Amino acid sequence: NAGVTQTPKFQVLKTGQSMTLQCAQDMNHEYMSWYRQDPGMGLRLIHYSVGAGITDQGEVPNGYNVSRSTTEDFPLRLLSAAPSQTSVYFCASSHYDRNYGYTFGSGTRLTVV
Amino acid sequence: EDQVTQSPEALRLQEGESSSLNCSYTVSGLRGLFWYRQDPGKGPEFLFTLYSAGEEKEKERLKATLTKKESFLHITAPKPEDSATYLCAVDGYQKVTFGTGTKLQVIP
Repeated sequence: NAGVTQTPKFQVLKTGQSMTLQCAQDMNHEYMSWYRQDPGMGLRLIHYSVGAGITDQGEVPNGYNVSRSTTEDFPLRLLSAAPSQTSVYFCASSHYDRNYGYTFGSGTRLTVV
Repeated sequence: EDQVTQSPEALRLQEGESSSLNCSYTVSGLRGLFWYRQDPGKGPEFLFTLYSAGEEKEKERLKATLTKKESFLHITAPKPEDSATYLCAVDGYQKVTFGTGTKLQVIP
């Protein structure tokens, strides 16, 4: 099925651990992005990419790293997890003109203890 | 800085009771305004894009409208399956800014 696939769905980390959240899309979308969703704060942009080899920071980039080696994949790396990074993370993709909005993945619920 | 404010935060309706959700925005240059539906434990699902004041779009029981300062999502004769959180977002060329959503509950 066409869409955005995120793995894992749930993850518990200890403070200081690192991990990578995976995101893959099969719609040949140029634009991919990572959001975090926290109660009362809406979706906030972490990092985004307009194409393979091009990434840029969003609103809340600190503590996260991204790369885009292919059109399909856009992994998000947590360098040293902190409790403040406990959140639900969504990957989203679209064609560059965004006329049809984003297609979102089903999310990764991350807890840092 | 682009801002999006949605009201009310939560809305409880009886089945068949029509109502509207509000999305007020400030943006330096509006490229488009999006409405999404989000069910618990899932990612947002795209509903509409509106581009200019006066534009309207419809899908089943939902109709979205746009003015220069706000957008409304009208829900006509809602059913329990319309229960969800509805998100508004503005595309301001530089980035897309989301509101915090309106949680709609439709009671049979």
